[in-house]
Amino acid sequence: DTEVTQTPKHLVMGMTNKKSLKCEQHMGHRAMYWYKQKAKKPPELMFVYSYEKLSINESVPSRFSPECPNSSLLNLHLHALQPEDSALYLCASSQQGHLRPQHFGDGTRLSIL
Amino acid sequence: EDQVTQSPEALRLQEGESSSLNCSYTVSGLRGLFWYRQDPGKGPEFLFTLYSAGEEKEKERLKATLTKKESFLHITAPKPEDSATYLCAVQMRETSGSRLTFGEGTQLTVNP
Repeated sequence: DTEVTQTPKHLVMGMTNKKSLKCEQHMGHRAMYWYKQKAKKPPELMFVYSYEKLSINESVPSRFSPECPNSSLLNLHLHALQPEDSALYLCASSQQGHLRPQHFGDGTRLSIL
Repeated sequence: EDQVTQSPEALRLQEGESSSLNCSYTVSGLRGLFWYRQDPGKGPEFLFTLYSAGEEKEKERLKATLTKKESFLHITAPKPEDSATYLCAVQMRETSGSRLTFGEGTQLTVNP
């Protein structure tokens, strides 16, 4: 079992809906990440939080809004998504600093109708 | 341009047939290289971190090695449960934080 927990596992939403993805870790990691992964492709970095502050935004459209309420939780708020946003959304966490391995959750499979 | 290339794209082995996966990189300054395993419908599972040329790490049937231009993941006497996509990722010196650049992965199938 992974130590990074993501909910829900599956999500189907319409283009006008608002939903949120949740991620939780209790490993004491102070860096947390959101990735998007399309089928047969590697994960693509979206956001990085370091000590609960947004440190990297990879030019992600504003219809994706991240939030880090505390050191254990990471949310991704979704609004007015497009069909091309359908993908596996992965959360990861790591200790702060260079060369710390990132530990991934099993993702949320998102489908946009 | 910084690039990470994995080969082959797909590999089919018979159980017990050893082989190697390759990850070559052309980056201006490598801080480190990571290997991950990903099963269908799951998130990547961390396997190894390699920091410097000549370094080797082992775990069960897997051994990862690093040179100045590439890394190999050697699989000795694989079993069907080793079937997965293997991803390598590099962290470059000039990038901030823990940004990783992933290769496209090698999909390994081990037949019984």
